[in-house]
Amino acid sequence: EAGVTQSPTHLIKTRGQQATLRCSPISGHTSVYWYQQALGLGLQFLLWYDEGEERNRGNFPPRFSGRQFPNYSSELNVNALELEDSALYLCASSLPPATEAFFGQGTRLTVV
Amino acid sequence: SQQGEEDPQALSIQEGENATMNCSYKTSINNLQWYRQNSGRGLVHLILIRSNEREKHSGRLRVTLDTSKKSSSLLITASRAADTASYSCATRRSGGSNYKLTFGKGTLLTVNP
Repeated sequence: EAGVTQSPTHLIKTRGQQATLRCSPISGHTSVYWYQQALGLGLQFLLWYDEGEERNRGNFPPRFSGRQFPNYSSELNVNALELEDSALYLCASSLPPATEAFFGQGTRLTVV
Repeated sequence: SQQGEEDPQALSIQEGENATMNCSYKTSINNLQWYRQNSGRGLVHLILIRSNEREKHSGRLRVTLDTSKKSSSLLITASRAADTASYSCATRRSGGSNYKLTFGKGTLLTVNP
C-alpha cells in the first residue's frame, strides 16, 4: 500500500512568488494535516482538512491556505513568499482523525 | 506554545545501551504518539498510546504514559547506530473535535558505533 506522497520534493522560489505543494494521502484516509518545520524547530501545525472541509487552522497568516479535493488529496498554497517561509513542509493523513497519523517525506521549500 | 516538550534535547549513547527520552504535555489528551525523524526527512510513526493505557511495547520500543503527571517516556533498548534520529512526541487533545497533533521539538539521539 502506498504511503503519503508529497510533491515536489524540493521547491525553490523567489520572495513574493507563490508556492503550491501537493499531498496524496494513504488510500482511504480522509484527514490530511499540513505542518511546517523550520530549521532547528519542531513541527508547527498549519492546517487540517477532513472530508473536503478545513477543520482547524494553526497560527499562520492568511497567505497560507489550502484545500482538499474530492479524492482527499490536498494542496497547500503559500502566497507572497517571504524568506522565513523556507522550511520543510510535511503532510500527514489519518483515518479516522484521532488515530495514527502517517507522514510523507516532505517538500523542502527554499525562498531566495 | 508547544504541547509536547521532550527531554533531553540531545542524547548521545554507545551502541547496545538503552536510550530513554521523556515528554511532558499540558492538557488532557486523547492519545500520545511517538515519531522518529531522520535528518530533515519525513516522520515515521513509532507507537501510539491511548490515555487509558499505561504502557505499550513494540519490538525494542517501550512507551509509558502517566496522565497524572502529564508525561510519557520512550525507551529504546539495545540501541543501534541506525537508531540515530530525532524523536518527537505528539499529542491529540481530548474533547471536542480538535484532532490536530501537537509536537514538541524532539530529542536528538546519537548512537555511536
